[in-house]
Amino acid sequence: DAGVIQSPRHEVTEMGQEVTLRCKPISGHNSLFWYRQTMMRGLELLIYFNNNVPIDDSGMPEDRFSAKMPNASFSTLKIQPSEPRDSAVYFCASSLGSDRAFNQPQHFGDGTRLSIL
Amino acid sequence: DAKTTQPPSMDCAEGRAANLPCNHSTISGNEYVYWYRQIHSQGPQYIIHGLKNNETNEMASLIITEDRKSSTLILPHATLRDTAVYYCIVRVADSNYQLIWGAGTKLIIKP
Repeated sequence: DAGVIQSPRHEVTEMGQEVTLRCKPISGHNSLFWYRQTMMRGLELLIYFNNNVPIDDSGMPEDRFSAKMPNASFSTLKIQPSEPRDSAVYFCASSLGSDRAFNQPQHFGDGTRLSIL
Repeated sequence: DAKTTQPPSMDCAEGRAANLPCNHSTISGNEYVYWYRQIHSQGPQYIIHGLKNNETNEMASLIITEDRKSSTLILPHATLRDTAVYYCIVRVADSNYQLIWGAGTKLIIKP
């Protein structure tokens, strides 16, 4: 089975530009997560969707960040305008999960390495 | 919220069993212990999880102490491809999705 698919794998852009990261979760999974990983802060949860609905966006750093999940097979994370401090690896993960499923593991994509110059 | 403590690094000889310890002394009764690993330039990979009983799958075994305050991940026959950062994680109490990620253990498998 295909795992979580993220694109692009690498993105280099200048500050001020809009950046869009894409994620295709594992088919049948109804929970989707966006994480950011940096050397300084480790792995941080940005936002969590359940059944395409954003449930917890408390980890989104500021209004420049937005995430959407228009259907069960696609999600985007957008940064506008981008800043150098947004440089990090961004991971998408999916799982079978609901209020009744407390132990389902999250499966991660290989991430997008983002560099803002 | 429960947190975990792991050694920052470990070495293991290829072909030998790698035993990775984790302390989670404040874990709550309904919190699971998860293990993930992250190979360089890849996303975290799920390995195994458990609540109270020992667990085994095709990748590893998880031994949880009776008081649940610590656990050990065992890779029975380590290979060079097992070199990675291994994370021991517990779920945030009363959450079905929030995981507390620590710094992990850098495991180096030596030929």
